[in-house]
Amino acid sequence: DAKTTQPNSMESNEEEPVHLPCNHSTISGTDYIHWYRQLPSQGPEYVIHGLTSNVNNRMASLAIAEDRKSSTLILHRATLRDAAVYYCILRTSGTYKYIFGTGTRLKVLA
Amino acid sequence: SAVISQKPSRDICQRGTSLTIQCQVDSQVTMMFWYRQQPGQSLTLIATANQGSEATYESGFVIDKFPISRPNLTFSTLTVSNMSPEDSSIYLCSVVGDRGVYEQFFGPGTRLTVL
Repeated sequence: DAKTTQPNSMESNEEEPVHLPCNHSTISGTDYIHWYRQLPSQGPEYVIHGLTSNVNNRMASLAIAEDRKSSTLILHRATLRDAAVYYCILRTSGTYKYIFGTGTRLKVLA
Repeated sequence: SAVISQKPSRDICQRGTSLTIQCQVDSQVTMMFWYRQQPGQSLTLIATANQGSEATYESGFVIDKFPISRPNLTFSTLTVSNMSPEDSSIYLCSVVGDRGVYEQFFGPGTRLTVL
């Protein structure tokens, strides 16, 4: 199974953009890139996912490198409620199996 | 979306005993998963539980230690058997959403401490 590598922690100021990186150099052509976040004392929640093209939704944007060996989750304006552990996950097309990475703990400073 | 509840939310157990964790979903779902999250760690998939078939376990997890039931499309249980302190973790269930984007919805977790 392909794996992901993320920084252990990052800090951001409130209302500033946040770029959370993820490396997945062994990704295969059929692997989707998913991002989830886990707020304190809660289960993970879906943020965004993509395959090759950049994706936008109401929560965030996902920028995928042209060679797909890395991706970046972009929170356009961080709020205190965005403080969480963000997981970059690979999922093989046709399966539902998630391989969670170690995650990045995001701290948002007021 | 799917709303998932788990019981108990937390428990403290003695070594050698067993605990059964319940997962209830507010809608019918085909695929359900059980994860373990050890203290300060990421999530690890234990098994996939589909209604009408036996659970499929990931490497490192066995049915004798983590028996799973899936009696219908809204409910599942995970039992942690013959517990040791190493089993102290958060156990989470998740289900696949029906919007076709392979989005999983997670329960709040059961925090288990084994003394």
